[in-house]
Amino acid sequence: GAVVSQHPSRVICKSGTSVKIECRSLDFQATTMFWYRQFPKQSLMLMATSNEGSKATYEQGVEKDKFLINHASLTLSTLTVTSAHPEDSSFYICSARDRGKNEAFFGQGTRLTVV
Amino acid sequence: AQRVTQPEKLLSVFKGAPVELKCNYSYSGSPELFWYVQYSRQRLQLLLRHISRESIKGFTADLNKGETSFHLKKPFAQEEDSAMYYCALSGRYSGGGADGLTFGKGTHLIIQP
Repeated sequence: GAVVSQHPSRVICKSGTSVKIECRSLDFQATTMFWYRQFPKQSLMLMATSNEGSKATYEQGVEKDKFLINHASLTLSTLTVTSAHPEDSSFYICSARDRGKNEAFFGQGTRLTVV
Repeated sequence: AQRVTQPEKLLSVFKGAPVELKCNYSYSGSPELFWYVQYSRQRLQLLLRHISRESIKGFTADLNKGETSFHLKKPFAQEEDSAMYYCALSGRYSGGGADGLTFGKGTHLIIQP
């Protein structure tokens, strides 16, 4: 079946540093990938839509300069949290759309802790 | 603005009892509705979508546009059904239903033996 892999699964960084999270579709090509954020005991919130070869589309209230998204190939999208602060600590989840199956598959998530 | 509401944070039923997880939505156009499930320590996975009109693992869900609901039902709960269930809506993009989703807050279903 279609597999989406995120790396790392958990990361701890110091305040002020930047962290990159990778999202890969392992056995299909994904022209569109999505990044979500989930706070404890809350729902997933769509942050942005990542389109291969073009700029990401950000949801209202999401700072594009803080959450840099790059979708350079059909199997890889990256989310970089720049100048991280403790309030950026969260669970970040990506999903990738498999056009062939007309379905989006989810990664296992990345737990970011900013200290 | 589109919104998905799952009124129950936690639902506990006994094995063999019927289960109904509620989901209501708000959207001005024609949405596509989904149910996702997350078992313990696993990733989110699609359970079913309204356009498929299928039963997965004994679960069914019918889209009721009049009541703007998409409740998930199963006649006889099994212990392995214990998980987090999320109702989700796709409506901002055309076709496919595999676009950016708006999620409800989720319902934790516990099936007691």
